Amino acid sequence: NAGVMQNPRHLVRRRGQEARLRCSPMKGHSHVYWYRQLPEEGLKFMVYLQKENIIDESGMPKERFSAEFPKEGPSILRIQQVVRGDSAAYFCASSLARDNTEAFFGQGTRLTVV
Amino acid sequence: KNQVEQSPQSLIILEGKNCTLQCNYTVSPFSNLRWYKQDTGRGPVSLTIMTFSENTKSNGRYTATLDADTKQSSLHITASQLSDSASYICVVSVDSNYQLIWGAGTKLIIKP
Repeated sequence: NAGVMQNPRHLVRRRGQEARLRCSPMKGHSHVYWYRQLPEEGLKFMVYLQKENIIDESGMPKERFSAEFPKEGPSILRIQQVVRGDSAAYFCASSLARDNTEAFFGQGTRLTVV
Repeated sequence: KNQVEQSPQSLIILEGKNCTLQCNYTVSPFSNLRWYKQDTGRGPVSLTIMTFSENTKSNGRYTATLDADTKQSSLHITASQLSDSASYICVVSVDSNYQLIWGAGTKLIIKP
């Protein structure tokens, strides 16, 4: 049973390009959470999704950012027209239930905008 | 405002020594408090989870304490090993919610 898989591990994008970050949750997990971590800072909640539904996107910027978790396939965090300030590590976690006591994290995607 | 503060920001100790990391929180309503270990370049891994009624919980050489009255927690590491070098993050869960409030972490370096 593989853990939470994120890809790519590292992503470099030029300003104005689009970034697509993928997260495959653990087998059987239908709850996915995305976090952003800036250097020397704690993780910041972005969005919580359950299969095909966005439950809470209060931590995600309203412009340029979107997330989905389709019925089939991984969850996708999409950043359009990236800017330098988007450079960060993006972590995905998954859990069996809404109560994410047993949430497991992926290794993260490090996005660098040049 | 829900906040989690950790101290010290960083710590260097010799292999084999013990250390204690601190966490203060102002999160309400409180559900549980977790300590995570995050190795450089990797995702956080859960060490302990404590609810309101638990005062202490151990996981091998890691022992976490919780004082819900003063809203303080500590993580004690005994007989440190080189592999303990990592960031240790205190996280508080908001009651009946999936929201987690993350501290900035304590960066621990173990020197041989």
